[in-house]
Amino acid sequence: QVTLKESGPALVKPTQTLTLTCTFSGFSLTTVGTRLSWIRQPPGKALEWLARIDWDDDKFYSTSLKTRLTMSKDTSKNQVVLTMTNMDPVDTATYYCARMHSSGWSLEFWGQGILVIVSS
Amino acid sequence: QSALIQPRSVSGSPGQSVTISCIGTSSDVGGYNYVSWYQQHPGKAPKFMIYDVNKRPSGVPDRFSGSKSGNTASLIISGLQAEDEADYYCFSYAGSYTYVFGTGTTVTVL
Repeated sequence: QVTLKESGPALVKPTQTLTLTCTFSGFSLTTVGTRLSWIRQPPGKALEWLARIDWDDDKFYSTSLKTRLTMSKDTSKNQVVLTMTNMDPVDTATYYCARMHSSGWSLEFWGQGILVIVSS
Repeated sequence: QSALIQPRSVSGSPGQSVTISCIGTSSDVGGYNYVSWYQQHPGKAPKFMIYDVNKRPSGVPDRFSGSKSGNTASLIISGLQAEDEADYYCFSYAGSYTYVFGTGTTVTVL
């Protein structure tokens, strides 16, 4: 059974760095072809793809946010970490992690999401 | 990367069919057969409904189907049911290892 759960702060101040952790079970990020993505959704708005990390540690980022995003993985803990620098109130959103389908092009299993509010 | 364009809302009576369009460009929807669709109920995480344009994951009712023509992908819900009332998002590979979502469509069951 595949599960994913996001964790991190519910509130960050403007200009701070956000660090989110995705803890998963039911699969390993050392398995060839396994990929994880982060997605966010501002309240009442659409989903936005942020980043992807692969089993071989390749990482890919949204063109518009790549200067602010960093992904890493800790395979021993079954965790993936996303950091986003220089947070702004417009970054207020629910942040999701998702395991991608084996074909590599879609988001098969999702975490429950974590709401992060950016406010002073 | 611009969001894929979806109608803000569609509606139908129980038993009817509705179609949600997802308009992209030749750099995303039109360039790859990697469109997927997600259903999202209020306060919930999105659910995987269609992948690779027209493939259905295990457990998704066959009332849901997908297609693509040129730069436009479509999700068709046949035999609309009350539980289908939700937001729906398309998602496409956009080249250079990036992806793009649609603007989202609210389906209302009358």
